[in-house]
Amino acid sequence: DTGVSQDPRHKITKRGQNVTFRCDPISEHNRLYWYRQTLGQGPEFLTYFQNEAQLEKSRLLSDRFSAERPKGSFSTLEIQRTEQGDSAMYLCASIPRGLTSGRTDTQYFGPGTRLTVL
Amino acid sequence: AQKITQTQPGMFVQEKEAVTLDCTYDTSDQSYGLFWYKQPSSGEMIFLIYQGSYDEQNATEGRYSLNFQKARKSANLVISASQLGDSAMYFCAMREGDSNYQLIWGAGTKLIIKP
Repeated sequence: DTGVSQDPRHKITKRGQNVTFRCDPISEHNRLYWYRQTLGQGPEFLTYFQNEAQLEKSRLLSDRFSAERPKGSFSTLEIQRTEQGDSAMYLCASIPRGLTSGRTDTQYFGPGTRLTVL
Repeated sequence: AQKITQTQPGMFVQEKEAVTLDCTYDTSDQSYGLFWYKQPSSGEMIFLIYQGSYDEQNATEGRYSLNFQKARKSANLVISASQLGDSAMYFCAMREGDSNYQLIWGAGTKLIIKP
């Protein structure tokens, strides 16, 4: 399977613990996005990478959140000192390399990581 | 103001009937893209169809078509001949401008197909 993969699929943690999620985009995709989706809502943009550069961060991304993409391939999203409000589905998406216009900027999503903070 | 509005929180449709899911959007950009995604209970977002703001024809992908009315700022998804497997959440999303391509999402419509 050459789609976007995310690990773990589910994570249950206690409040105050740190968690880290991983996203492996489709191999030829150089743009990578993180979104958060709470129950009954559409996803909300968190951050965006082009290759290894983090080009944009949402105001939703508090200082407890950090994302990296060290070699321009996989990405990690870490949440420090988790709070119950962090409980959500964390989605990763990627877009192919090259000129993006029209349909070529379609984002392809992974299965998500569902985080539950107790 | 909401950038993407999906006014139907939930819909029940009889199998084999056509269904229209509403989406209106708000943007001042001339260049933008509109997307529809399906999210089954498993959680993965599945791309269905795309419409560019400059596309003159309505997009079609198999049983999916997008009724794009630019002046009204609406981009409704039409599913023809619905199937039980179409039961899922459906999200309308917009990419504004030509910068970072982040998507702005509606709240979704839960579609249930009745046998």
